[in-house]
Amino acid sequence: EAQVTQNPRYLITVTGKKLTVTCSQNMNHEYMSWYRQDPGLGLRQIYYSMNVEVTDKGDVPEGYKVSRKEKRNFPLILESPSPNQTSLYFCASSLGAGKGYTEAFFGQGTRLTVV
Amino acid sequence: RKEVEQDPGPFNVPEGATVAFNCTYSNSASQSFFWYRQDCRKEPKLLMSVYSSGNEDGRFTAQLNRASQYISLLIRDSKLSDSATYLCVVKDGNQFYFGTGTSLTVIP
Repeated sequence: EAQVTQNPRYLITVTGKKLTVTCSQNMNHEYMSWYRQDPGLGLRQIYYSMNVEVTDKGDVPEGYKVSRKEKRNFPLILESPSPNQTSLYFCASSLGAGKGYTEAFFGQGTRLTVV
Repeated sequence: RKEVEQDPGPFNVPEGATVAFNCTYSNSASQSFFWYRQDCRKEPKLLMSVYSSGNEDGRFTAQLNRASQYISLLIRDSKLSDSATYLCVVKDGNQFYFGTGTSLTVIP
């Protein structure tokens, strides 16, 4: 089954404790991205990657890191989480540009609470 | 100016009603357009793509007006199960741009 898998689904952590949210897709998609969703603000892009070893900042990258060492995986790293990073996070993947009318597929989301 | 703008609603409509959502986008060179549906606290899922000629999928009709940079979604004969948030999505190259979503509640 074609899917994007995020883990964990729920996480409560304390300020300053490094954490990683994993994201994996099995569709051989070139493009992957991370979003956070907050009430009234919609989906905001954190980072994206157009292919292995190619990453770039989105609209709200501060406090986050990513890596793309393999095509299927795109982990999101919070080196020192703070309470303002409490949010619902989504990973998404898609075929790259020039591949026609291709949609984004989303993971099930990670609800992060930083206390 | 936001890339994609849509009325957040909420829209509260009775079962069986017809409801329309609109969305505008800022980049005239945008290439692909979609409507996504998001249920509470769940991931967005593709409802339908929006093609230049307009397209229909059962009770759902999507239209694109490139001259006015405007996308619409029409839902006929609303069902309780249509209650959700509807996201207007525009794709430029690799990047997806999301509206903040329009909330729909269908009332018995």
